[in-house]
Amino acid sequence: GAGVSQSPSNKVTEKGKDVELRCDPISGHTALYWYRQSLGQGLEFLIYFQGNSAPDKSGLPSDRFSAERTGGSVSTLTIQRTQQEDSAVYLCASSFGLAGESYEQYFGPGTRLTVT
Amino acid sequence: AQSVAQPEDQVNVAEGNPLTVKCTYSVSGNPYLFWYVQYPNRGLQFLLKYITGDNLVKGSYGFEAEFNKSQTSFHLKKPSALVSDSALYFCAVRETARAGGFKTIFGAGTRLFVKA
Repeated sequence: GAGVSQSPSNKVTEKGKDVELRCDPISGHTALYWYRQSLGQGLEFLIYFQGNSAPDKSGLPSDRFSAERTGGSVSTLTIQRTQQEDSAVYLCASSFGLAGESYEQYFGPGTRLTVT
Repeated sequence: AQSVAQPEDQVNVAEGNPLTVKCTYSVSGNPYLFWYVQYPNRGLQFLLKYITGDNLVKGSYGFEAEFNKSQTSFHLKKPSALVSDSALYFCAVRETARAGGFKTIFGAGTRLFVKA
């Protein structure tokens, strides 16, 4: 079946511009996650959506970052006034996310963001 | 807060030799533990998980992991390494998210190099 998809796959933007990154989770998955991965480094948690609950935004690095999830499905991560340090691969993942979940996450291919 | 530690940035092993990638965890309550792998230029993939039951968990590609409660460890192992196992490996633990639900916290990652 279809996996997690992300678009665009690559994005080059000028410093100060806003960008929007999109994630389509696997159908039926109620939990959605955004992570950031700098070149060859670990995963930095950004935000977590679980069904209709308020998201866990504890990982967002600044107020320039925001995310929304419409209809419990597609999610958009927005970065305003981009800075060079925002350059990274942004990964989206989804999972079955019921309370007490033990389910593994399925990751999308990522969006490589380069801020020039 | 829950956390995982991967004490080795890099592990080198010769093809055909056994490999171990180390992970220790800190959780309150029963741990839900995961291993993920990121092959070069490919997305993150789930390898295996420990929820409950047998301490030895078997996963994809011939990998297994041993849960050791007394040592709070969840080391990843494979009896005979392949060059194609060269990748970045992440240990992860489930953590309670704010506003309910759960999220996964990832370790910093260990890069495995398998030499022919």
